[in-house]
Amino acid sequence: AQSVTQPDIHITVSEGASLELRCNYSYGATPYLFWYVQSPGQGLQLLLKYFSGDTLVQGIKGFEAKFKRSQSSFNLRKPSVHWSDAAEYFCAVGGATNKLIFGTGTLLAVQP
Amino acid sequence: GAGVSQSPSNKVTEKGKDVELRCDPISGHTALYWYRQSLGQGLEFLIYFQGNSAPDKSGLPSDRFSAERTGGSVSTLTIQRTQQEDSAVYLCASSPQTDSFGSPLHFGNGTRLTVT
Repeated sequence: AQSVTQPDIHITVSEGASLELRCNYSYGATPYLFWYVQSPGQGLQLLLKYFSGDTLVQGIKGFEAKFKRSQSSFNLRKPSVHWSDAAEYFCAVGGATNKLIFGTGTLLAVQP
Repeated sequence: GAGVSQSPSNKVTEKGKDVELRCDPISGHTALYWYRQSLGQGLEFLIYFQGNSAPDKSGLPSDRFSAERTGGSVSTLTIQRTQQEDSAVYLCASSPQTDSFGSPLHFGNGTRLTVT
């Protein structure tokens, strides 16, 4: 069965610091991986996605994610966090069935 | 263009009552999903419709939950005999989902359901 684990429920970083949000997945075949962001009072928005090819994918708002098959991970990264990045981040896994399963989310707080 | 529309935006109901939640997907989107978002639970998959195929109902938590999609467009999620643990935000998403999987999901703003 497909599943996603986001081990960090809540993370606080200082503005300008680097960020890495962890995501581990379980899927029996080639996974399709996604990161979505939910800003306060707003709907979920796609940040980036991975299907195949280069294991480092670039997304919107300066985010990137690294796919590591050997570790079943798809961690989200940003070199320098901005106050507007404070939001909840969801990792998701899908596949040939098109059923998309989300993790429990990581709430990011940004300190000035 | 118009996004995914959900109604009502808020619903307060008494325990034991039935509720219906509505989702209008983006026109032309063949895939439609329902998720439930509870505090600390993330986004819980409920059901997935794709074109004329039989829906994937594997995420429905009990037989009190059902959903239909009429004419491949509007969807209704029905919860019968509501319980307090049903209180959550119910999110609908649609996707063009053509031959190549991976079209992003477009989410509505959700219906916040409170069962008293």
